[in-house]
Amino acid sequence: EAQVTQNPRYLITVTGKKLTVTCSQNMNHEYMSWYRQDPGLGLRQIYYSMNVEVTDKGDVPEGYKVSRKEKRNFPLILESPSPNQTSLYFCASSQRQGVTDTQYFGPGTRLTVL
Amino acid sequence: AQSVAQPEDQVNVAEGNPLTVKCTYSVSGNPYLFWYVQYPNRGLQFLLKYITGDNLVKGSYGFEAEFNKSQTSFHLKKPSALVSDSALYFCAVRDFPSGANNLFFGTGTRLTVIP
Repeated sequence: EAQVTQNPRYLITVTGKKLTVTCSQNMNHEYMSWYRQDPGLGLRQIYYSMNVEVTDKGDVPEGYKVSRKEKRNFPLILESPSPNQTSLYFCASSQRQGVTDTQYFGPGTRLTVL
Repeated sequence: AQSVAQPEDQVNVAEGNPLTVKCTYSVSGNPYLFWYVQYPNRGLQFLLKYITGDNLVKGSYGFEAEFNKSQTSFHLKKPSALVSDSALYFCAVRDFPSGANNLFFGTGTRLTVIP
């Protein structure tokens, strides 16, 4: 089954404790992206990657890191999480970054930073 | 710069009645428009998209959307609402060639279909 998976689905942590949220897709997609969803703000893009070893900042990259060492994986790293990073996070992928390409989303990771 | 507005945070409709979820956009170049739906505790699912051609686009689950260039709108519609349509709906736009091809989302509209 074609899908985007994220782990963990739920995470409660404390300020300053490094964490990684994994994202994997099995569709051989070139483009992958991370979003955060906050009430009243919709989805905002954090980082995106057009292919292996090619990443770029989205609209809200501060406090986050990403890497793309393999085509299928695109982990999101919070080196020193803060409470304002409490949010619902989505990973997405598409065949390419073309204007007509449809993005497919993972199930989401709900992060709480205390 | 691109933007998307979903003017209604909440839409309530009776089961069996037609529904409309509104979306307006602003882009510098050509708009490429998408609708996604989010069910509780699930990720976003693609419903439909407008790229070019016919202004009326048909998508999944009986939904359709009408692209109106003069009103810069892309409203989502369904002739007869089901209780199972209750969800959070997001409109999104790509601004080509200005917006680096990234999707820009609206703030979402929560649709509640009342039995």
